[in-house]
Amino acid sequence: DGGITQSPKYLFRKEGQNVTLSCEQNLNHDAMYWYRQDPGQGLRLIYYSQIVNDFQKGDIAEGYSVSREKKESFPLTVTSAQKNPTAFYLCASTKQGADGYTFGSGTRLTVV
Amino acid sequence: QKEVEQNSGPLSVPEGAIASLNCTYSDRGSQSFFWYRQYSGKSPELIMFIYSNGDKEDGRFTAQLNKASQYVSLLIRDSQPSDSATYLCASKGGFQKLVFGTGTRLLVSP
Repeated sequence: DGGITQSPKYLFRKEGQNVTLSCEQNLNHDAMYWYRQDPGQGLRLIYYSQIVNDFQKGDIAEGYSVSREKKESFPLTVTSAQKNPTAFYLCASTKQGADGYTFGSGTRLTVV
Repeated sequence: QKEVEQNSGPLSVPEGAIASLNCTYSDRGSQSFFWYRQYSGKSPELIMFIYSNGDKEDGRFTAQLNKASQYVSLLIRDSQPSDSATYLCASKGGFQKLVFGTGTRLLVSP
């Protein structure tokens, strides 16, 4: 079945450590997105990519980095520069003209 | 800053009642709007989308759009306890980016 796979489901980061969240889709979607959700909050856009080898900053890109080397993959790195990374991270994808996004199941990141 | 605003709730309704969820948006250029349901700890799932002024019905759900007032609503008829969740309203901007509201928490009591 087609869908978006995010891994891991839970991730723990030590202070000063970089961690990478995986997002893979087999829907043949061109566009992919990373959102962050804090408790009781909506989704805030971190980065998005419309096409392979191209990506743009969203509203809260500081302390994060991404790559888009393959159409299927859009990994997100949370760097040590992100001072408050504890949150629920959601990856989504869509195709041109589609109605809404398909979301992955999310990664819950906690700083320990 | 293009925004989508929702009352955070909780909105409490008894089982069988109609739940009315509301949303306003600031970007007059937005053309399409989405309602997502999100259960605690889970990812959002698409409930309804609407592009044109007026009502759009799908089963127990009706989405309403008024572009002149920049207002979107979601009605849930015959509310069930399983409808208890957070409902996120979103508008579509450039590059197919969705701008989300903070969500309204709905509680349906048996």
